[in-house]
Amino acid sequence: GDSVTQMEGPVTLSEEAFLTINCTYTATGYPSLFWYVQYPGEGLQLLLKATKADDKGSNKGFEATYRKETTSFHLEKGSVQVSDSAVYFCALFQNNNAGNMLTFGGGTRLMVKP
Amino acid sequence: NAGVTQTPKFQVLKTGQSMTLQCAQDMNHNSMYWYRQDPGMGLRLIYYSASEGTTDKGEVPNGYNVSRLNKREFSLRLESAAPSQTSVYFCASSEWTGGGGYTFGSGTRLTVV
Repeated sequence: GDSVTQMEGPVTLSEEAFLTINCTYTATGYPSLFWYVQYPGEGLQLLLKATKADDKGSNKGFEATYRKETTSFHLEKGSVQVSDSAVYFCALFQNNNAGNMLTFGGGTRLMVKP
Repeated sequence: NAGVTQTPKFQVLKTGQSMTLQCAQDMNHNSMYWYRQDPGMGLRLIYYSASEGTTDKGEVPNGYNVSRLNKREFSLRLESAAPSQTSVYFCASSEWTGGGGYTFGSGTRLTVV
């Protein structure tokens, strides 16, 4: 079945450092890919998405490019802030015989220190 | 601008007790979902409702039941709680099941002792 694998955390960075959170996926078709963010005590929020190969999703300084050849959707940000501290989830979505649903990775906790 | 509202936020149950988690959305979305979140395992789908009047099992439905009461409300029931059901439960909604852009509630932290 479909699956998403994320790098394990926590990832600890200093403010203004460069961020990369790796995400790879396994899917039989052509899924849409997402990054969700969960701030402490809150539900998940959609951060960005890409619906086809080579698409780049971007929001709030975060970017991720849909790479079909490497089945990856790595999240990047050039300069992180303390307010970016959260748990980040990579997810894929596609329609298939099992129904329509989001499949999530295990999440990566990011901690940004001042 | 409430979005998806879940109640309660916290709950402690004894093994064998029952309870219902409530979820309501005010975005006129057609589809609603229940997920559980466990450390290191991401979110796993318990049940979903593609539209009012329909419900379907997700990845981990055992031990749960759901009711799509109307377009706004989708409840999750634990008939006989077990310690393995200790988790954080999230309700989500979307305009349709297609697309993947879901709106999540803030979660219910459930502990079964």
